[in-house]
Amino acid sequence: RKEVEQDPGPFNVPEGATVAFNCTYSNSASQSFFWYRQDCRKEPKLLMSVYSSGNEDGRFTAQLNRASQYISLLIRDSKLSDSATYLCVVNHGSNYQLIWGAGTKLIIKP
Amino acid sequence: NAGVTQTPKFQVLKTGQSMTLQCAQDMNHNSMYWYRQDPGMGLRLIYYSASEGTTDKGEVPNGYNVSRLNKREFSLRLESAAPSQTSVYFCASSGGRSTYEQYFGPGTRLTVT
Repeated sequence: RKEVEQDPGPFNVPEGATVAFNCTYSNSASQSFFWYRQDCRKEPKLLMSVYSSGNEDGRFTAQLNRASQYISLLIRDSKLSDSATYLCVVNHGSNYQLIWGAGTKLIIKP
Repeated sequence: NAGVTQTPKFQVLKTGQSMTLQCAQDMNHNSMYWYRQDPGMGLRLIYYSASEGTTDKGEVPNGYNVSRLNKREFSLRLESAAPSQTSVYFCASSGGRSTYEQYFGPGTRLTVT
């Protein structure tokens, strides 16, 4: 079983809709959680950190569920520019290594 | 403020050739990383350097060597390239307000024939 698992998608969503996807992690010792965004043939860029209390940044909301060991990302009022692959990332806290999911591809259609 | 820069952007090698990928950051970060990204897989850590003067193996170090030349620069060397090393290579750095938030360079697309 992979340490960090994501539905690869693609999620095809009409513009303006709300979309959510989850990511599960297997190591209960994981301490830090992130969502990164990667555009086609570009480098990953930090979208947001995921805190225990949840985190909201404009149209984006991230939640952490430690009991079930998953994090989620909700995008409201989706824009064409939200089309990208969203990478779930966790850290165990013991060193500098991040564990990366393979990503969920999101396609926003006009 | 360029962030993280990498050279070259593209490279084609023949099996057995060697090359060095260069990475530099201007954010005064302590830690630097080399990853490879293959289709359908998450980023995999090759080597990292927690601070100047130290380097450690990541998940997939075989076939690679690294040098942390100074605080700014971290290079990745392929001594004898193999087709299995065909991949996209990303350099990253961290050490700002959050130790674990990493910032990436634009990547090097390497093909080994």
